[in-house]
Amino acid sequence: AQSVTQLGSHVSVSEGALVLLRCNYSSSVPPYLFWYVQYPNQGLQLLLKYTSAATLVKGINGFEAEFKKSETSFHLTKPSAHMSDAAEYFCAVRGGGSNYKLTFGKGTLLTVNP
Amino acid sequence: EAQVTQNPRYLITVTGKKLTVTCSQNMNHEYMSWYRQDPGLGLRQIYYSMNVEVTDKGDVPEGYKVSRKEKRNFPLILESPSPNQTSLYFCASSFSFGGQETQYFGPGTRLLVL
Repeated sequence: AQSVTQLGSHVSVSEGALVLLRCNYSSSVPPYLFWYVQYPNQGLQLLLKYTSAATLVKGINGFEAEFKKSETSFHLTKPSAHMSDAAEYFCAVRGGGSNYKLTFGKGTLLTVNP
Repeated sequence: EAQVTQNPRYLITVTGKKLTVTCSQNMNHEYMSWYRQDPGLGLRQIYYSMNVEVTDKGDVPEGYKVSRKEKRNFPLILESPSPNQTSLYFCASSFSFGGQETQYFGPGTRLLVL
């Protein structure tokens, strides 16, 4: 079985501050890991994907995530928050091989204060 | 323009009245999937399809059916809708090659079952 836990349903930062959104996963096989963003009243957009090629994954809009196997974590970071980053962020895990089931975390709402 | 379309976008129905939500993609993607989004629960995968005539259950398949007779279409069928299926539904398609993944989500279908 696979699962995702996102720590903190709501994170608030000031504009220009570091963004850190936490994600821990559980998977019985080496996983694929994803981060998605959902802007208000919109669908989802893929931010980045981890596939074991590199532990540090760079995504769109200046976001990156680091895979740490020992900690079973895949935290999302951005050095400097922008007002336009305000959205809900979802971490997701998919088992490798022929397992295409995708399991999401419950999401973290990011607010950015001026 | 690459896109995933869903119809209808909004639907109000009554308990037990069969309904179908259509999903279509124009990118020749092999992988398609359906999700529901509920407040506090995040997104949960309902069904997915790896190719024509190949489908499998996600985390919450109960009460839903799917079919994949053509590559471009992946309809979601609720044979006997119940109020607990009131939700926001998203369809998605994706393509993976060489570790890179492209995903597109539809705009969502908001369903209310009375």
